Amino acid sequence: EAGVTQFPSHSVIEKGQTVTLRCDPISGHDNLYWYRRVMGKEIKFLLHFVKESKQDESGMPNNRFLAERTGGTYSTLKVQPAELEDSGVYFCASSQELAGGNEQFFGPGTRLTVL
Amino acid sequence: GEDVEQSLFLSVREGDSSVINCTYTDSSSTYLYWYKQEPGAGLQLLTYIFSNMDMKQDQRLTVLLNKKDKHLSLRIADTQTGDSAIYFCAESDSWGKLQFGAGTQVVVTP
Repeated sequence: EAGVTQFPSHSVIEKGQTVTLRCDPISGHDNLYWYRRVMGKEIKFLLHFVKESKQDESGMPNNRFLAERTGGTYSTLKVQPAELEDSGVYFCASSQELAGGNEQFFGPGTRLTVL
Repeated sequence: GEDVEQSLFLSVREGDSSVINCTYTDSSSTYLYWYKQEPGAGLQLLTYIFSNMDMKQDQRLTVLLNKKDKHLSLRIADTQTGDSAIYFCAESDSWGKLQFGAGTQVVVTP
């Protein structure tokens, strides 16, 4: 079974540009989460999809961030326009069900650098 | 400030036991987790404990939970060089939203 994959693994862009990150969850996982780790600090929750619906987007920093999950499969996270403080590692995770510990499987992350 | 706190660094000699400590604030958390991140990899779930348990043991890993003090610890017995990684403590709400600590860098020396 393939794990959670993320693309690209690294992205270097200039301030003001647009970047789109992609996450492919494990097939059949309804829950998809985005997290971000900035500058070696704690990993922060961004949002949670259940299938194609946004269950919780309370962690999204501002309206420069837009997440979608059309069809309830893969998800994209677009940052437009990017700012310096958006640099960090963006993790995606998926899980099958919320009960029984809700094991979330994480992707390797996308390292975003905004210059 | 952080809601989940953990020490940032731990150095341990190979063969010794490692203990990583964590404090959390949300007493309603149902599950508490320990994740491991190796260089260049995503987070790997090591173990989790249900909030009504005091202890959970899984091979070399022992998790202790003190709900009164909101204190969680992870003990790794017979620490090996492959245990060198960043360890994250996390709590979750009922929808699975994880709240992490900043991570403890564990360095295992020969």
